[in-house]
Amino acid sequence: KAGVTQTPRYLIKTRGQQVTLSCSPISGHRSVSWYQQTPGQGLQFLFEYFSETQRNKGNFPGRFSGRQFSNSRSEMNVSTLELGDSALYLCASSSTGTGGETQYFGPGTRLLVL
Amino acid sequence: QQPVQSPQAVILREGEDAVINCSSSKALYSVHWYRQKHGEAPVFLMILLKGGEQKGHEKISASFNEKKQQSSLYLTASQLSYSGTYFCGTGLKGISGGYQKVTFGIGTKLQVIP
Repeated sequence: KAGVTQTPRYLIKTRGQQVTLSCSPISGHRSVSWYQQTPGQGLQFLFEYFSETQRNKGNFPGRFSGRQFSNSRSEMNVSTLELGDSALYLCASSSTGTGGETQYFGPGTRLLVL
Repeated sequence: QQPVQSPQAVILREGEDAVINCSSSKALYSVHWYRQKHGEAPVFLMILLKGGEQKGHEKISASFNEKKQQSSLYLTASQLSYSGTYFCGTGLKGISGGYQKVTFGIGTKLQVIP
């Protein structure tokens, strides 16, 4: 089985721009979660999608949004980028997204905002 | 709601043992342990679902004390390959027993030296 894939792997943007990140989960997995990882904050939960519906949301501003398509692929969008948005963005997939399941992480997209 | 991990960093010599603790202020449904090496995605180690459950993975094992809302990860006879950042993720109990969002701690940096 192919693992979780994320594109692009690296991205450089300037303040005020917007960015879209993509995540393809493991085949058959319907839950996709997004995390922001920074050195001081660890893994911060952004949101989780299951069957095209946002099921859970973390404490991030509305500039962070996402969606999931019928094939379970998910995208995350950040509008009006700020310097503090520089981070590694990880997505993780699992079969049903319950707390008792293993989450498989993708390699991440490293975003640098200048 | 973010679980608290301790210690934040530890340096071991090969062959030494280490314990990483994870505690939550909320009632837990599950505890997840991951290891992340520099520049790589977090890799699943184990999940503990029941209070008092202990699981092992080679020389790495973990326990889950549901009453104390704590989990501990035990690394015995450490190897150089154990180096990395260890994250615990806690799945909080849902009101209706439904989906429980997994929230991660900031991680424990472990370095094993020869």
